[in-house]
Amino acid sequence: AQKITQTQPGMFVQEKEAVTLDCTYDTSDPSYGLFWYKQPSSGEMIFLIYQGSYDQQNATEGRYSLNFQKARKSANLVISASQLGDSAMYFCAMRAPNAGGTSYGKLTFGQGTILTVHP
Amino acid sequence: NAGVTQTPKFRILKIGQSMTLQCTQDMNHNYMYWYRQDPGMGLKLIYYSVGAGITDKGEVPNGYNVSRSTTEDFPLRLELAAPSQTSVYFCASSYDRGAEKLFFGSGTQLSVL
Repeated sequence: AQKITQTQPGMFVQEKEAVTLDCTYDTSDPSYGLFWYKQPSSGEMIFLIYQGSYDQQNATEGRYSLNFQKARKSANLVISASQLGDSAMYFCAMRAPNAGGTSYGKLTFGQGTILTVHP
Repeated sequence: NAGVTQTPKFRILKIGQSMTLQCTQDMNHNYMYWYRQDPGMGLKLIYYSVGAGITDKGEVPNGYNVSRSTTEDFPLRLELAAPSQTSVYFCASSYDRGAEKLFFGSGTQLSVL
């Protein structure tokens, strides 16, 4: 079974500083995808970044980068130059095949980390 | 481009009532999903569909039913609502199972009292 663990219930960061949100995962399948989503207080789910298990390079999207350490099964999100608008809940998620070898795009989510950016 | 549209945004039900949460996408995606998010928690998959006429259970399907008569629509039916179904419901879609991105609707906040 797939499992995503986010061990930080809450994180605080000063505006303009960088912050790392932790995510570890567990799957026995060599082919999987890792996602980060942002959920602001308004409630919508905003896609941030994706990393495939076979990708050689760490994914980057603007101020977001994913620190992918395959051997440690970790996929930490790094936000550089934090902004007040980054205050939100952040979810790590994984797509991995089920026992039948198919995943149909289904994501397993972690419990989330609440990030608060201080001015 | 509307993306994934969910209605209603908010709803209060009495125990035992039934309702249908509507979800429509205009991106011609074959894959659609229903998730629920309990307070302070991540999302859990209720049902999913890989195309019109094909649906399957996710992690927490009890108390729900779905249908997929068209590519665009994927309604979620709650029969005999219970307080345990108080949650925020998200519909999502993707163009295939290997997609690098799921597109989410804005969510439906449901309270069962």
